[in-house]
Amino acid sequence: AQRVTQPEKLLSVFKGAPVELKCNYSYSGSPELFWYVQYSRQRLQLLLRHISRESIKGFTADLNKGETSFHLKKPFAQEEDSAMYYCAVSVVGSNYKLTFGKGTLLTVNP
Amino acid sequence: GAGVSQSPSNKVTEKGKDVELRCDPISGHTALYWYRQSLGQGLEFLIYFQGNSAPDKSGLPSDRFSAERTGGSVSTLTIQRTQQEDSAVYLCASSATPSGAQYFGPGTRLTVL
Repeated sequence: AQRVTQPEKLLSVFKGAPVELKCNYSYSGSPELFWYVQYSRQRLQLLLRHISRESIKGFTADLNKGETSFHLKKPFAQEEDSAMYYCAVSVVGSNYKLTFGKGTLLTVNP
Repeated sequence: GAGVSQSPSNKVTEKGKDVELRCDPISGHTALYWYRQSLGQGLEFLIYFQGNSAPDKSGLPSDRFSAERTGGSVSTLTIQRTQQEDSAVYLCASSATPSGAQYFGPGTRLTVL
């Protein structure tokens, strides 16, 4: 069974500081990793998926299969990055249903 | 274009009543998912529909929960004899293909008194 661990429930940084949101996963099969973001009073939206290797809103995430990690990083945090971030995994052959971590609430202070 | 829509946005019901939650996926999306977001359990998968295939019901927590998808489009999640532990935000998502990115609706907040 898939499991996603986000060790930090809360993370607070100052504007302009680097930020890293941690995600570790366990899986059986071929995993695909995602980061979803939920801004205040908005719907859950896809931020990144590892197969696309894009940088969205300055965020990047690298899949480390050896450490089974998919940490989300941004070199200079902005106040508008304050949101709830969820790491998720889906597995080929499991109907691509997402297994989510518990989420990390990021607050970027001015 | 229009995103995934869900109705109602909020539903308050009494314990023991039945409720129906509706999801309108993005037009043309063949895959549809229901998830539940609760304080204690986080985001959990409930059920998956893909085209005319049999749904994957592996995430439904009890037989009080059921869902259908008519005509490959709109989906309804039904909870019978609601319990207080059913209180949560119920999210619907759709994707263009089974492996495609999932787009989420705004959710229905269900409160069982």
